[in-house]
Amino acid sequence: GAGVSQSPSNKVTEKGKDVELRCDPISGHTALYWYRQSLGQGLEFLIYFQGNSAPDKSGLPSDRFSAERTGGSVSTLTIQRTQQEDSAVYLCASSSRWSGSTAQYFGPGTRLTVL
Amino acid sequence: DAKTTQPTSMDCAEGRAANLPCNHSTISGNEYVYWYRQIHSQGPQYIIHGLKNNETNEMASLIITEDRKSSTLILPHATLRDTAVYYCIVRVADSGGSNYKLTFGKGTLLTVNP
Repeated sequence: GAGVSQSPSNKVTEKGKDVELRCDPISGHTALYWYRQSLGQGLEFLIYFQGNSAPDKSGLPSDRFSAERTGGSVSTLTIQRTQQEDSAVYLCASSSRWSGSTAQYFGPGTRLTVL
Repeated sequence: DAKTTQPTSMDCAEGRAANLPCNHSTISGNEYVYWYRQIHSQGPQYIIHGLKNNETNEMASLIITEDRKSSTLILPHATLRDTAVYYCIVRVADSGGSNYKLTFGKGTLLTVNP
């Protein structure tokens, strides 16, 4: 079946511009996660959605970052007034539910470059 | 989550089995062993996970020792496309707390040679 998809695959923007990154999780997956990965670095958790529960936004690095999940499916990560340090690969993952016994499946990522 | 230890790098000949070890000596009884891999410039890819019993799927086999303090990921017939960084992590089974936040260590760079 279809995996997690993300768009765009690459985004180049100028400092100060806003960007929107999209994630389509695996159909039926109720849990959705956003991470980012800077060059040569590990995963950095950003935000977690689980069904209709309030999202865990504890990983968002600043108030320039926000995310929403509409209809329990598609999610959009928005970065306002982008800065050069926002350059990274933004990864979305989904799982059938949150539990340590269920795997998170990742999308291909969106490579964001802020000039 | 328990800490894991993996070799920094390994080589394997194409067509041969790749056996990637992982130590997790402080693993708890309710922690799963997971393996992911990341091919250069791609998102992490889930491979397999297990609790106590050995597991096999279309990608790999996971062998967990009886005391659960170590495990081995086996790619039975490695191909050039299996060249990647392989991450072994342990995750608590229950749904409490905020342990849904995945973190990877440095992993093992597996290079499959022609």
